Formats: sequence, structure tokens, C-alpha cells
Amino acid sequence: EPEVTQTPSHQVTQMGQEVILRCVPISNHLYFYWYRQILGQKVEFLVSFYNNEISEKSEIFDDQFSVERPDGSNFTLKIRSTKLEDSAMYFCASSEAIQGMKAFFGQGTRLTVV
Amino acid sequence: SQQGEEDPQALSIQEGENATMNCSYKTSINNLQWYRQNSGRGLVHLILIRSNEREKHSGRLRVTLDTSKKSSSLLITASRAADTASYFCATSTDSWGKLQFGAGTQVVVTP
Repeated sequence: EPEVTQTPSHQVTQMGQEVILRCVPISNHLYFYWYRQILGQKVEFLVSFYNNEISEKSEIFDDQFSVERPDGSNFTLKIRSTKLEDSAMYFCASSEAIQGMKAFFGQGTRLTVV
Repeated sequence: SQQGEEDPQALSIQEGENATMNCSYKTSINNLQWYRQNSGRGLVHLILIRSNEREKHSGRLRVTLDTSKKSSSLLITASRAADTASYFCATSTDSWGKLQFGAGTQVVVTP
């Protein structure tokens, strides 16, 4: 079965540094998402992306976050100036369509801000 | 608002037994999906049920949906040690496919 791949699997960064989390969605999918899961908490929606623009974002997705699909295959999440509270597992997901289609999730990137 | 709350929070059973977990939500949905997460790993899609469906089966999984009660249940029959994981329900309510997850049910299956 095709899968969403995320790199790196684990990233440690110092507070205030910029990080870029990378994702390769499934090739024929059109809708892309980022979610995060703080340790021991529920999975939270960050942003959805369609047709090269953000379609929806949550309150968490403030000005320090940005997403990009630079080359038609990669889908990146950038955190400009990381904070300790950004430490979490970040999941990328994609789906072929919206209604009635399942979202495929990557294995996640564990971000640790020190 | 919280959408998708699982019950129970934790469940411990023996191999061969059935495991049932429930999910309640607050607003109208397009569909409801169940996911499994092994410790520290990614989310694996189990089953999707649309708002106009009442029951779906996939292997040892059975999902029901009661839109009048705004609730869903996931039944795992004849559980195995490999079923040990956290199980999440996620609801889709908007036009962009955003999923809202519950807090999950942690299932432990002992041999």
C-alpha cells in the first residue's frame, strides 16, 4: 500500500531555532495536512492545504508556522522560532479527496526543543 | 469545542476476548474514522463510516454509528496481543477534510 513518508523521524533543536519538517504525500493525493500530538495528549489539527494554498488552519497555526509544497512532491512545515512548547510529534497526512476518503498518515517526526 | 471523546480511557483484556470502545461527538459529521496508534508511532487508518451508514465491518473490526446519539463504537473481536495500541476516533465535519481526534482508548491485550 502507498504510504506517506516523513523526515526526519526525530529532530532535536534549540529554542529559537528554525526547523523544517518534511513530508512526501502519496503521489495522486490532492489534500495535505499537518497535525501534532504533544506527548500524552490528543492529536490536534494544524493546517490543511489544497491547490497550493492553505484551506484551513487552527488557532495553533500562528505566524511562526508556515507550509509549502515547493516541488510538487514534498510538503513541508516550517517553524520559524521554536519554543519549548512546540515539542511534539508532528504528523503529515494526505487524502485523495475529501468526502468519504480516508486520510493516510505518516509515521511522524518527533520534535524536541531544548 | 471537543469533538470525539472515547470511552473508556483504558481497557485491559485477555487474548481471545472482545474489546469495545465508544466515541461521542458534539456536532454533525460527514464521516467518522477510527485509527490505531502503536506506542510512539504513526496513525494507522482502520475504518471509515459515513454519516448515512450505521454499521461497517472490516476483518475483526465492527464499527457502528448512531447519528441520533452522536456516538460510535468500535468492536475488536477475538483480540490478539498485537492489538495492543491506542485507538482514536476522528470526526470529519467541514469541507476541507480536517479531522478532530478524541483522546483515545488505550487497549492492552495480554496473552
